[in-house]
Amino acid sequence: AQRVTQPEKLLSVFKGAPVELKCNYSYSGSPELFWYVQYSRQRLQLLLRHISRESIKGFTADLNKGETSFHLKKPFAQEEDSAMYYCALPFYNQGGKLIFGQGTELSVKP
Amino acid sequence: NAGVMQNPRHLVRRRGQEARLRCSPMKGHSHVYWYRQLPEEGLKFMVYLQKENIIDESGMPKERFSAEFPKEGPSILRIQQVVRGDSAAYFCASSPSRYEQYFGPGTRLTVT
Repeated sequence: AQRVTQPEKLLSVFKGAPVELKCNYSYSGSPELFWYVQYSRQRLQLLLRHISRESIKGFTADLNKGETSFHLKKPFAQEEDSAMYYCALPFYNQGGKLIFGQGTELSVKP
Repeated sequence: NAGVMQNPRHLVRRRGQEARLRCSPMKGHSHVYWYRQLPEEGLKFMVYLQKENIIDESGMPKERFSAEFPKEGPSILRIQQVVRGDSAAYFCASSPSRYEQYFGPGTRLTVT
């Protein structure tokens, strides 16, 4: 069955430390994957998608098909990065619905 | 272009009452998705609609839940005879083409 797993519910780091939010997926095919972010009291917004290979707000994510992972990384965390992060898998052949992981709360301490 | 609008933002209902959640997609978007987030869980897909059509309702509970997206007006998610287990945040997203979804702020439903 297709699913997305984010094993960490909460990740707490100090400002300036590296961050890696883990995402593993199960999908029979060539997946496209997204990371969404939800800052406090704001709506969910797209952070990045693997096909664009962009770096947004210093975050990058590489699709590793061998390990079926799409971990989100940032070399130096900032306090404003504190938010909920969701990894998501779209099903374009089923209308584009998104399958989300459980989410990881990132807390960056000063 | 205003973002996706959802109202109300907070809704309190007693057990057995009906809940109606509204979603106004972004201008030019004809695809609407509804997701539910139960406490301590991620977002779960419920239903995908285009104007006047339900395309995929595979995530919708079989009873008490219904959705529509009429030719004019917002998309409505309707929950009849609410129970405590329906307490959750309900998110709507719209898209011009299925390939990128823009989310609303959500409606937090509390059933007392």
